[in-house]
Amino acid sequence: AQTVTQSQPEMSVQEAETVTLSCTYDTSENNYYLFWYKQPPSRQMILVIRQEAYKQQNATENRFSVNFQKAAKSFSLKISDSQLGDTAMYFCAFMKQYNNDMRFGAGTRLTVKP
Amino acid sequence: SQTIHQWPATLVQPVGSPLSLECTVEGTSNPNLYWYRQAAGRGLQLLFYSVGIGQISSEVPQNLSASRPQDRQFILSSKKLLLSDSGFYLCAWSLESNQPQHFGDGTRLSIL
Repeated sequence: AQTVTQSQPEMSVQEAETVTLSCTYDTSENNYYLFWYKQPPSRQMILVIRQEAYKQQNATENRFSVNFQKAAKSFSLKISDSQLGDTAMYFCAFMKQYNNDMRFGAGTRLTVKP
Repeated sequence: SQTIHQWPATLVQPVGSPLSLECTVEGTSNPNLYWYRQAAGRGLQLLFYSVGIGQISSEVPQNLSASRPQDRQFILSSKKLLLSDSGFYLCAWSLESNQPQHFGDGTRLSIL
């Protein structure tokens, strides 16, 4: 079974600084997808970024980028120039290819301080 | 553009009462549909998913059930709620497998 581990229950960062959220996963699959979702206090789940395992290039989306290390089964999220609106729970998620079962980590609560 | 609607936003129900949560998607056809539960301070757990009308797959055994009576409608039900059913329920859709899932605003269910 696939498991997703987020080892940082809570993190904080000063506004405009950079923060990295960790995620590791366990799988025997070779083809899969990884996601980071953001859940602000409004509780809506918002897709932040997506990475296909067959792509070596790290995905980027504006201020958000990932460091995907397939051999190490690591998928960290870097948030640059942190903004107050980035305050939220961040969930790492894994999904096997041709599958509908998305497995989520327990989440990291990020607080951006002014 | 596609939108997903989920209601009600909050619900308080007594133990043993029935449940019906509804989710609809607009702006797309034959989406994959999902029901998740999020316990307090924890990640999401997939409960059910559906790849078409009348097709329901269950990921965990429980006293909940799901139905898809129409292409873009997904309903989560229970005949008799338990205290352990309390939580935050999220509906999601995707174009197909392997595609990102897009979530509704969620329903906070409290069982008394």
